[in-house]
Amino acid sequence: QVQLEESGGGVVQPGGSLRLSCAASGFTFSRYGMHWVRQAPGKGLEWVALIWLDGSTKYYGDSVKGRFTISRDISKNTVYLQMNSLRAEDTAVYYCARGNDYGDLWGQGTRVTVSS
Amino acid sequence: QPVLTQSPSASASLGASVKLTCTLSSGHSDYAITWHQQQPEKGPRYLMKLNSDGSHSKGDGIPDRFSGSSSGAERYLTISSLQSGDEADYYCQTWGTGPWVFGGGTKLTVL
Repeated sequence: QVQLEESGGGVVQPGGSLRLSCAASGFTFSRYGMHWVRQAPGKGLEWVALIWLDGSTKYYGDSVKGRFTISRDISKNTVYLQMNSLRAEDTAVYYCARGNDYGDLWGQGTRVTVSS
Repeated sequence: QPVLTQSPSASASLGASVKLTCTLSSGHSDYAITWHQQQPEKGPRYLMKLNSDGSHSKGDGIPDRFSGSSSGAERYLTISSLQSGDEADYYCQTWGTGPWVFGGGTKLTVL
């Protein structure tokens, strides 16, 4: 069925790195832009990053610019989020979502905890 | 970049109807939005895309109890015949050339 499945979350120390993956299935991955959105504990949704369907253009939220990198592998139907120089305030559940304009499909999320 | 404003909370009785509001910032009243539902401990779920003229298209499997409407800069989500499973956070979202913008979310309590 049509779905997105995130993985790669965990506990990491401040200053550390983590790479999240989001595997897509059930639809033509190459036809969609892909986003990462996060939700800190008890907070609302915060948009993190976007990669266009052809990978040619990427956008980042101000809070992660210069530290996070979004990428995609069409052959694996997977989008990634490389997170470097992690801070306590990056602690959140990270969701991937599909959408060229608006989001119409979400994954179940993967939890990232940044703590010493 | 538009800003979306939502009331933090709303409540209604089981079997009743509730209307949630998402307000677009000045100068952005022609923007379409989407509504998403997030049940406790779950990922968001796409409900519908809602245009400025009130036309809307729902996601697969979204019941007829969920409907959308628009008036000026306001976008509404109406849920009728409320069920306990409707107790959730509801977010509106819009977009420009790239980044997404989310409202702060409304926590709906079903009494």
